Amino acid sequence: QKEVEQDPGPLSVPEGAIVSLNCTYSNSAFQYFMWYRQYSRKGPELLMYTYSSGNKEDGRFTAQVDKSSKYISLFIRDSQPSDSATYLCAPIGGAGGTSYGKLTFGQGTILTVHP
Amino acid sequence: SQTIHQWPATLVQPVGSPLSLECTVEGTSNPNLYWYRQAAGRGLQLLFYSVGIGQISSEVPQNLSASRPQDRQFILSSKKLLLSDSGFYLCAWAGTSINIQYFGAGTRLSVL
Repeated sequence: QKEVEQDPGPLSVPEGAIVSLNCTYSNSAFQYFMWYRQYSRKGPELLMYTYSSGNKEDGRFTAQVDKSSKYISLFIRDSQPSDSATYLCAPIGGAGGTSYGKLTFGQGTILTVHP
Repeated sequence: SQTIHQWPATLVQPVGSPLSLECTVEGTSNPNLYWYRQAAGRGLQLLFYSVGIGQISSEVPQNLSASRPQDRQFILSSKKLLLSDSGFYLCAWAGTSINIQYFGAGTRLSVL
């Protein structure tokens, strides 16, 4: 079983739609949960992150973590064509590895928002 | 502000040729440095990380090696490239908050 599972999509939605992107993970020691956005042929950029369980909102983006079910979500409200990218979840932590910041990436979900 | 530079952006190399990719970070000192590889349609795989000059940890056995000759310089090398070394190589750095990594623009390597 992979440590982090993410549906690769692709996901295609109309402009203005609410988008839900999800990951599951198996390592209960993960403490920080990152979301990166990667445009085509570019390096990933950090979108937002949360610590432990709960929600965090940043503009149109909301990150949600449920540690009891090991489930990570990213919601995008009022999606725009400029949101078209690959979204990567990346929890971090784990016994023996936390101190070196080793992210464990999901496969990434390809999102297309069409006008 | 901190910036990370990676070059070249694109590279086409024949099988069996050597490789050297360079990554430098500006605006910070003593960063943690990372090399990742991203195969087409897949997530990022951590190859190497370094917490200081000359300190390299390898995550997966492979045909590649890494070196950190200076505090803010990280080099990915190979003596003889294989077809399977093709991919998108990304360098990242992390500072005081080691959980937050910042990525370079990447190098797209094609081994033919």
